[in-house]
Amino acid sequence: EAGVTQFPSHSVIEKGQTVTLRCDPISGHDNLYWYRRVMGKEIKFLLHFVKESKQDESGMPNNRFLAERTGGTYSTLKVQPAELEDSGVYFCASSQIGTERLFFGSGTQLSVL
Amino acid sequence: AQKITQTQPGMFVQEKEAVTLDCTYDTSDQSYGLFWYKQPSSGEMIFLIYQGSYDEQNATEGRYSLNFQKARKSANLVISASQLGDSAMYFCAMREAVDGYKLSFGAGTTVTVRA
Repeated sequence: EAGVTQFPSHSVIEKGQTVTLRCDPISGHDNLYWYRRVMGKEIKFLLHFVKESKQDESGMPNNRFLAERTGGTYSTLKVQPAELEDSGVYFCASSQIGTERLFFGSGTQLSVL
Repeated sequence: AQKITQTQPGMFVQEKEAVTLDCTYDTSDQSYGLFWYKQPSSGEMIFLIYQGSYDEQNATEGRYSLNFQKARKSANLVISASQLGDSAMYFCAMREAVDGYKLSFGAGTTVTVRA
């Protein structure tokens, strides 16, 4: 069974540019989450999808971040325009409805220069 | 307020010995879950063990056990018979029922296993 897949694994962009991160959850997992870890800080929740609906986006830092999950399958997280403080590792996780265990991907290391 | 506190930034352990990673948590919720994840150098967050707040027995998964002390709000991870492959960063996390399905993470503890 394939795990949670994220790409790219690394992205280096300049301030002001746009970047789109993609997450493919485990097949059949209706819950999809985005988390991020900025340098020196804890991993923080960004948002939660149930199928294609945003269940909770209270962790999204500002309106430069846009997450979508069309069709309830893969998800994208777009940062536009990127700022220096957006640098960090962005994790995606998925789970089945009603289960506790979250499966995480390997993350996308985003560097904004 | 910090929900999860991991006070050990880094630890060294000798191969084949046991190691305990500390985790304390803060919640007023009666229903919550506690998790430990391992992050090796490859970057992936690997689920290790889960303890529900109503579970009466400590969770165990192979060489991993969770020492759950509810009154002290402590959820320490014990790794027995350490292996070189255990070298990684370890995160303690909590999910509170009142907070939906969000996980709150601690700062992590880096474990280095020495041969």
